[in-house]
Amino acid sequence: EVLLVESGGGLVKPGMSLRLSCAGSGFTFSNAWMSWVRQAPGKGLEWVARIKSKPDGGTIDYAAPVKGRFTISRDDPKNTMYMQMNSLKTEDTGVYYCATGLVFDYWGQGILVTVSS
Amino acid sequence: DIVMTQSPDSLAVSLGERATINCKSSQSVLYSSNKKDYLAWYQQKPGHPPKLLIYWASTRESGVPDRFSGSGSGTDFTLTISSLQAEDVALYYCQQYYSTPPTFGGGTKVEIK
Repeated sequence: EVLLVESGGGLVKPGMSLRLSCAGSGFTFSNAWMSWVRQAPGKGLEWVARIKSKPDGGTIDYAAPVKGRFTISRDDPKNTMYMQMNSLKTEDTGVYYCATGLVFDYWGQGILVTVSS
Repeated sequence: DIVMTQSPDSLAVSLGERATINCKSSQSVLYSSNKKDYLAWYQQKPGHPPKLLIYWASTRESGVPDRFSGSGSGTDFTLTISSLQAEDVALYYCQQYYSTPPTFGGGTKVEIK
């Protein structure tokens, strides 16, 4: 069974940092493209960042609103993906999901990030 | 970026009746070399993550009931629930994965009439 578990969320003030983690199991993590998708309260889905598998080049892409502030990475021996989020803004508030694949076929349960003064 | 526009924003359908959701992309998501439409549909219930229903515009994900079907090509797509069940009350999103950034439609809320 595929399982994705996010951690690291919480309440922070604007300008502060957080690091999210996504631990995967039940699939070959090293071959998986991994993404972060977020959802602001009461709003729709927004893709945030993606890191391809190393066999596929390990390419990293970011959505425009987070480019330069967020950094996605992966540790394949630990089956874990990370997202370092710096200079957080109130508009970054939401539930952050990790998801696998080009098409997002598996999703974690999500972790809440609240940026508020 | 490709803009995905869904309609309607919400719809109420009687149990057992058909529900139809439309999705339009600002440019074609049909890849000419493999003739595949890079379009997916997701279902999201309150307090839960999205669930993949359909990919390649019309391929049902394993385990998805066959009352869910996807159709369309190029820029115009449809998700149809042939006979609405109570458990189908949810938000539905289309998403293109033809180009980066992948983008989602705004969502359609399906309720029981």
